[in-house]
Amino acid sequence: QKEVEQDPGPLSVPEGAIVSLNCTYSNSAFQYFMWYRQYSRKGPELLMYTYSSGNKEDGRFTAQVDKSSKYISLFIRDSQPSDSATYLCAMRGTNAGKSTFGDGTTLTVKP
Amino acid sequence: EADIYQTPRYLVIGTGKKITLECSQTMGHDKMYWYQQDPGMELHLIHYSYGVNSTEKGDLSSESTVSRIRTEHFPLTLESARPSHTSQYLCASSPRTGGAGFENTEAFFGQGTRLTVV
Repeated sequence: QKEVEQDPGPLSVPEGAIVSLNCTYSNSAFQYFMWYRQYSRKGPELLMYTYSSGNKEDGRFTAQVDKSSKYISLFIRDSQPSDSATYLCAMRGTNAGKSTFGDGTTLTVKP
Repeated sequence: EADIYQTPRYLVIGTGKKITLECSQTMGHDKMYWYQQDPGMELHLIHYSYGVNSTEKGDLSSESTVSRIRTEHFPLTLESARPSHTSQYLCASSPRTGGAGFENTEAFFGQGTRLTVV
């Protein structure tokens, strides 16, 4: 079983919808939680970065971490066609040399 | 726009050839990473480095080598390319410290090199 499981998608929503992207994990040592956005034929771009549990908001994006449930989410409000991309969750433990990534969820926002 | 560059962007090469994928960053970051990404699949770590003359193996390191002679440069070499190496290769970097917390992430990725071995 993978350490990080991401909702597979693909996900298609109308413009303006609220989008919820989710990952679960099994390693209780994970302390840092990230969300990346990856457009087609591009490298991933770090969107949100959270340490431990709680919420973090940046514009239309909110990252939520529930360590007790080993569950993280990314919410996108007022989704736009430009949000159409693959979203990757990633996480790592303290002093870990590298992050563990989910497989990604592909989102399409239709005008 | 992140200052991390990968060349070439696309490469088609024959089986058995030796190839080097280039990665350079101008941000002075100590940590650099190489990942392999197949469509719809998670990123797999190939190698990483904490600084000059420091390299560590990842999950898929057995068929490739890296060097870190200069802070800004982290090339990946496949000694003998095989069709199973066909994939996208991503380079990333992050600072060792800095207060922004990015030291605990792969903060910046390059555009990737899409490799096809025929």
